[in-house]
Amino acid sequence: GAVVSQHPSWVICKSGTSVKIECRSLDFQATTMFWYRQFPKQSLMLMATSNEGSKATYEQGVEKDKFLINHASLTLSTLTVTSAHPEDSSFYICSARTGLPGDYFGPGTRLTVT
Amino acid sequence: GESVGLHLPTLSVQEGDNSIINCAYSNSASDYFIWYKQESGKGPQFIIDIRSNMDKRQGQRVTVLLNKTVKHLSLQIAATQPGDSAVYFCAEDNQGGKLIFGQGTELSVKP
Repeated sequence: GAVVSQHPSWVICKSGTSVKIECRSLDFQATTMFWYRQFPKQSLMLMATSNEGSKATYEQGVEKDKFLINHASLTLSTLTVTSAHPEDSSFYICSARTGLPGDYFGPGTRLTVT
Repeated sequence: GESVGLHLPTLSVQEGDNSIINCAYSNSASDYFIWYKQESGKGPQFIIDIRSNMDKRQGQRVTVLLNKTVKHLSLQIAATQPGDSAVYFCAEDNQGGKLIFGQGTELSVKP
């Protein structure tokens, strides 16, 4: 149990376009999901906390108008990177809080902006 | 301050040896700690957790030690195997409902 999926697993987009990444809890409901960004050889940096039915809470320094988060249901949160630039290229990972020990993480989405 | 990831330290061990991975956490108010394993190109995988009212917890081939006095956490892996090669992160729940990740250690197991 406690499986989290992400789609797509990788995406390449042109600079200036927007990209949507989906995070789904497959076998449980998650009122709270989290979005992280990870650069190569670095740690996970929390971007925002996504709560079902309410606005996301963003970490300091994360632009909420650039990284749009929508937690429309108890099994789906989406992250949209708007007007993407090459510096947004990164590995984006979501996690879900289940009530079990630890948060459960998705497999990640590799975004490359050309 | 918060733990911020920079470049990963590495640990190289021989197959069959025991591995010890260390982590310093930042917030003395944190009351819950987790070790995660991350293989290349994948999301982190839960290994073991410990609450602040404990100083040791054992799982299958893994042991976590917590020293609150010096804000230090360690993960011990017994009889390390090639499949244990990965990056290991400690994470602390600082009572804000969020996990703060440490910088990580890359474990390389030599056959």
